[in-house]
Formats: sequence, C-alpha cells, structure tokens
Amino acid sequence: EIVMTQSPATLSVSPGERATLSCRASQSVSSNLAWYQQKPGQAPRLLIYGASTRATGIPARFSGSGSGTEFTLTISSLQSEDFAVYYCQQWRTFGQGTKVEIK
Amino acid sequence: QVQLVQSGAEVKKPGASVKVSCKASGYTFTSYYMHWVRQAPGQGLEWMGIINPSGGSTSYAQKFQGRVTMTRDTSTSTVYMELSSLRSEDTAVYYCARAVVPAASPGGWYFDLWGRGTLVTVSS
Repeated sequence: EIVMTQSPATLSVSPGERATLSCRASQSVSSNLAWYQQKPGQAPRLLIYGASTRATGIPARFSGSGSGTEFTLTISSLQSEDFAVYYCQQWRTFGQGTKVEIK
Repeated sequence: QVQLVQSGAEVKKPGASVKVSCKASGYTFTSYYMHWVRQAPGQGLEWMGIINPSGGSTSYAQKFQGRVTMTRDTSTSTVYMELSSLRSEDTAVYYCARAVVPAASPGGWYFDLWGRGTLVTVSS
C-alpha cells in the first residue's frame, strides 16, 4: 500500500507570510492527490483535488502543485483563519498531517 | 442544502457494538460512493471503508475486516457503519465522507462533503 509522508510535522509561520507544505508518496500516484484543512472540533474541508485544482469556494491564496511522488501545498499569505492542520490524501491513505501554527 | 447529518455521540463498553448513521440530503444519494474515516483523539485520519449506495457493495480496510459492517437504506438516503468488539483504541470521531471519483482517474477519488462526525467513546 502507498505511504504518504508529510513534512514538516509542524510549521510556524507569521500572519502574512508564505507557507509551503510537502507531501511525498512512496510510489507514483500521478496527479491523484487531494489536500484538506482541519480546524479543531471540525471535519476536514477539501481544499485541492487532482493535485492542483482548488475546490469550490477555496481562496486563491491556496495552491497545489506536483505530480508523481512529490506534492506541495502553498498558502501565499497566511490569514488568521488558515492556522490549522493540513492533510494530503491519495486513494485510501492520508498523510499524518502538518500543523500550521502562529509564529 | 447538500449535507451529511450524522447520529449523536455514543458511549460503549468494551466488547459492545456501535452503529453510526449518516443521512444524506440535497443530492442524489445513489450517485456517490460513501466512505467512513475515523480520527482518534489528537491523531490523524484513518480510512475505514467504502459503500456503494446504489448496489450496496462494500470494501473495508484490512484492519477492520471482520469487525465492521457498512450498510445503506436507499429509502431514507442513509448509510450506516457498525463496529463490533469495541476496545478502548476504537475511541474516536467517526466521519462519513462523500467521494467524487474522477471519470478519467477512478483511483483518484477525493472527499468533497463530510459529516460533522460522531464521537464514539469506549470505556468500562
């Protein structure tokens, strides 16, 4: 089974700064990768699917890139509401998550 | 309104079973596969299985084989997840999630709609 590895585990960023999150697959998954945001006490929310397509209603500051085994989620200018945990997902497998916290 | 409404929190004793429901509304129930994902306290997301609401076919994660049963009721647009032989490690929030399967990439499903989750606590 494919293993999804996210890095870093925790990312400390100041509001307004850029955040770059990584997700690596143990074997090629083409562009079959999604990203989710989860805030405390809430269900995950779909941000990106197909590696780079923003879901409905997702702000343009969120962007996804990559294919094969290496993927990146970029938040161009962090807003207060963006501090959360982010998960990548491919088929049945989720990464372990990256927590984006206020620096 | 497109939504998934899950049943309320449960407290169970070790060895018991729990059945969580997820009622879909606002879309054609049989047009989307439904998955169950759980999250233990402070932990990540763990896929449990999938049910096809149209025909009722299922596939479960190997970890839960023999303990989990997913069913559906098309008359009420509701899917169910029953987990048996509960142990303390099953304490978690259980989510139902609707999957979109890209036509060009059947293995590239993603979850565009989630229930709010059902907390299941297993404690003696």
